[in-house]
Amino acid sequence: GAGVSQSPSNKVTEKGKDVELRCDPISGHTALYWYRQSLGQGLEFLIYFQGNSAPDKSGLPSDRFSAERTGGSVSTLTIQRTQQEDSAVYLCASSSSYRGGRGDEQFFGPGTRLTVL
Amino acid sequence: AQSVAQPEDQVNVAEGNPLTVKCTYSVSGNPYLFWYVQYPNRGLQFLLKYITGDNLVKGSYGFEAEFNKSQTSFHLKKPSALVSDSALYFCAVRPSGSARQLTFGSGTQLTVLP
Repeated sequence: GAGVSQSPSNKVTEKGKDVELRCDPISGHTALYWYRQSLGQGLEFLIYFQGNSAPDKSGLPSDRFSAERTGGSVSTLTIQRTQQEDSAVYLCASSSSYRGGRGDEQFFGPGTRLTVL
Repeated sequence: AQSVAQPEDQVNVAEGNPLTVKCTYSVSGNPYLFWYVQYPNRGLQFLLKYITGDNLVKGSYGFEAEFNKSQTSFHLKKPSALVSDSALYFCAVRPSGSARQLTFGSGTQLTVLP
């Protein structure tokens, strides 16, 4: 079956522009996560969606970052007024977790490499 | 707050030799521990996890990990390394409680030399 897919695979933008990154989770997975992987910062959690519950936004670094998940499936991460420090690989993951399923592993997409010039 | 430490940025091992990639953690309550591997320009791939039960966990590609509660460690091991095992390895922890996101270590680059 298809895994987690992300688009675009690479995005180059100019400082101050807005960007949208897309994630298609594994079909049937109710939980969706966004992480950021950058040199010097490692892998950082950004935001988590679980079903119809309010998302956990505790990892978003600033109010320039937002994400939505439509219909419980596809998710879009939006970065407004991009800065050079936003350059990183943005990874999406999904899992089949329901309440209590904290042991379910997350399946990761290939990532979107964002470069802000 | 939870944390994960991978004390070695780089581990080199000869093909055929046993390998160990170290991981220690700090978390309140019972930990859920994971190992992931990342190949160049690829996403993370799940290797194995510890939730409860036997301290020795077996995973994909012949890898295993040993949970040691007293030492708060979860070292990744393989009896005989392959050149194709060369990759970036991440240890991760999820705390008990409502939080579901993973906290990752800084990663260890494993190089298996032919």
